[in-house]
Amino acid sequence: GNSVTQMEGPVTLSEEAFLTINCTYTATGYPSLFWYVQYPGEGLQLLLKATKADDKGSNKGFEATYRKETTSFHLEKGSVQVSDSAVYFCALDSGTYKYIFGTGTRLKVLA
Amino acid sequence: DAMVIQNPRYQVTQFGKPVTLSCSQTLNHNVMYWYQQKSSQAPKLLFHYYDKDFNNEADTPDNFQSRRPNTSFCFLDIRSPGLGDAAMYLCATSLRGGNYGYTFGSGTRLTVV
Repeated sequence: GNSVTQMEGPVTLSEEAFLTINCTYTATGYPSLFWYVQYPGEGLQLLLKATKADDKGSNKGFEATYRKETTSFHLEKGSVQVSDSAVYFCALDSGTYKYIFGTGTRLKVLA
Repeated sequence: DAMVIQNPRYQVTQFGKPVTLSCSQTLNHNVMYWYQQKSSQAPKLLFHYYDKDFNNEADTPDNFQSRRPNTSFCFLDIRSPGLGDAAMYLCATSLRGGNYGYTFGSGTRLTVV
């Protein structure tokens, strides 16, 4: 079946550090891939997406590239800020109207 | 701004007392979803509507019901809340499917006392 695996958190970084959150997936066909961010006490917000192999999604300095050969969609940011502290969820949509979410990775950025 | 609105943001209910959570959208999206999210966990899909077609997840307890009277509104009814039902409940919408992403509401945090 379809699944998403994310690196476990929490991830603690100093401000301006480089961020990578790993995400790998298992799916049949060609799913669309997403990163969502959840700030404390809030719902999830779409951060970026990619719908086919080699697509790069980007938003607010975050990037992720759809790598079919490694079945990965790692989230990166070159310089994190305190305001990036949140929980990040990787997700896939295999076309059945239902997402498969990863377990989430909590990021804490220290000033 | 077009959005997904959930009311209330916080709901306290008594053990066993029926409670209804509401969700409205101005996006005119076909699909509306209800997720349950417990602390530090991924959201868990309870059910979804594609237009008027209701789709229940196999492991969603019978205690949870949903209604969608029109395109804009969707309700989550918990018939007899137990302590284990305390969670954040998230409503989300998508246009015909998730390929373009979901739009989530801010959630309703349910406390059962």
